[in-house]
Amino acid sequence: AQKITQTQPGMFVQEKEAVTLDCTYDTSDQSYGLFWYKQPSSGEMIFLIYQGSYDEQNATEGRYSLNFQKARKSANLVISASQLGDSAMYFCAMILTGTASKLTFGTGTRLQVTL
Amino acid sequence: DTAVSQTPKYLVTQMGNDKSIKCEQNLGHDTMYWYKQDSKKFLKIMFSYNNKELIINETVPNRFSPKSPDKAHLNLHINSLELGDSAVYFCATSKGGSYEQYFGPGTRLTVT
Repeated sequence: AQKITQTQPGMFVQEKEAVTLDCTYDTSDQSYGLFWYKQPSSGEMIFLIYQGSYDEQNATEGRYSLNFQKARKSANLVISASQLGDSAMYFCAMILTGTASKLTFGTGTRLQVTL
Repeated sequence: DTAVSQTPKYLVTQMGNDKSIKCEQNLGHDTMYWYKQDSKKFLKIMFSYNNKELIINETVPNRFSPKSPDKAHLNLHINSLELGDSAVYFCATSKGGSYEQYFGPGTRLTVT
């Protein structure tokens, strides 16, 4: 069975600074995908970025980039130039792409952006 | 137009009651999901339907019964509600060939 571990329950970052949110995963499958979702205090789940296990380049979406290190089984999210609106819960999730497509989530990291 | 909608947004009910949560999507996606987010914010898959057929059924009490009347709808019916059912329930959808899942706004269920 697959597992996602987020070891940082909470993080603080100053506005305009970069921050890295950690995510490690465990699976014996070779074909999988990794996601990051943002959940602001309003409660909705917002898709941020996706990385496939066979993708050679790290995924980037605007200020978000995914630092994918396959050998270390890590998929850290880097947010550059943090903004106050980035304050939220961030969830790392995994999907096995060869089977029924359920997302397995980590426990989340609460990011607080300060002035 | 909202892509994935859920009704109601909030639901407060007493133990023992039966309630339903509805999910509708206008994205034309063929797979729909129900996830539960508990009080500690942990998200877990409950069910998944593909083209109205149940494909994922995690270890969920049989008091929970999903129903997909058509490809655009996936409803969740819960019988004999218990205090532990209090949570936020999210509907999500995905398109065939894509792994990205689009989430609805969530339904906060409170059982008193």
